Amino acid sequence: AQRVTQPEKLLSVFKGAPVELKCNYSYSGSPELFWYVQYSRQRLQLLLRHISRESIKGFTADLNKGETSFHLKKPFAQEEDSAMYYCALTLGSGNTGKLIFGQGTTLQVKP
Amino acid sequence: SQTIHQWPATLVQPVGSPLSLECTVEGTSNPNLYWYRQAAGRGLQLLFYSVGIGQISSEVPQNLSASRPQDRQFILSSKKLLLSDSGFYLCAWSGAGDTQYFGPGTRLTVL
Repeated sequence: AQRVTQPEKLLSVFKGAPVELKCNYSYSGSPELFWYVQYSRQRLQLLLRHISRESIKGFTADLNKGETSFHLKKPFAQEEDSAMYYCALTLGSGNTGKLIFGQGTTLQVKP
Repeated sequence: SQTIHQWPATLVQPVGSPLSLECTVEGTSNPNLYWYRQAAGRGLQLLFYSVGIGQISSEVPQNLSASRPQDRQFILSSKKLLLSDSGFYLCAWSGAGDTQYFGPGTRLTVL
């Protein structure tokens, strides 16, 4: 069965430190992976998707099919990065766009 | 531009009472629509999705049901609420791409 695992419920770092939020997935086909973010008192929103290969707000994520991972990284964390982060997997076209989410990781960036 | 609305924002209901949460989308036609529940410590769980009027797919067996009476309206219902139905309910839509856009959510507390 398809599954997304985020092993850390809470990740706490100091401002300026590197950040890596871990995400592993289980899927035998070719998945599309996403990171969604929910800032305090804001809606859940897309942060980035692997097919775009872009950096958003300094974050990047590389799909590693060998390790079935899609870790989110940022070299220097900022206080405004504090939020809940969800990794998600979609099975691609023909599957109605359903997303399978991980359990989420709360990132806390301390001053 | 497209917008998604959910109401009510918060709801406190007694066990055994009925439920109706509404979600509407503006600025797009024939969207895919989704209901998720965000329970404490359990991440986001897809409850229902719909690819068209009257077409509902349920992802997990539960005490809830969904309906799509109009193209851009998605309703989550229950005849008799259980304590375990408490949570944060999110509605989302997607178009031709895989990106999902989320509503502000409804906080449901069942007492």
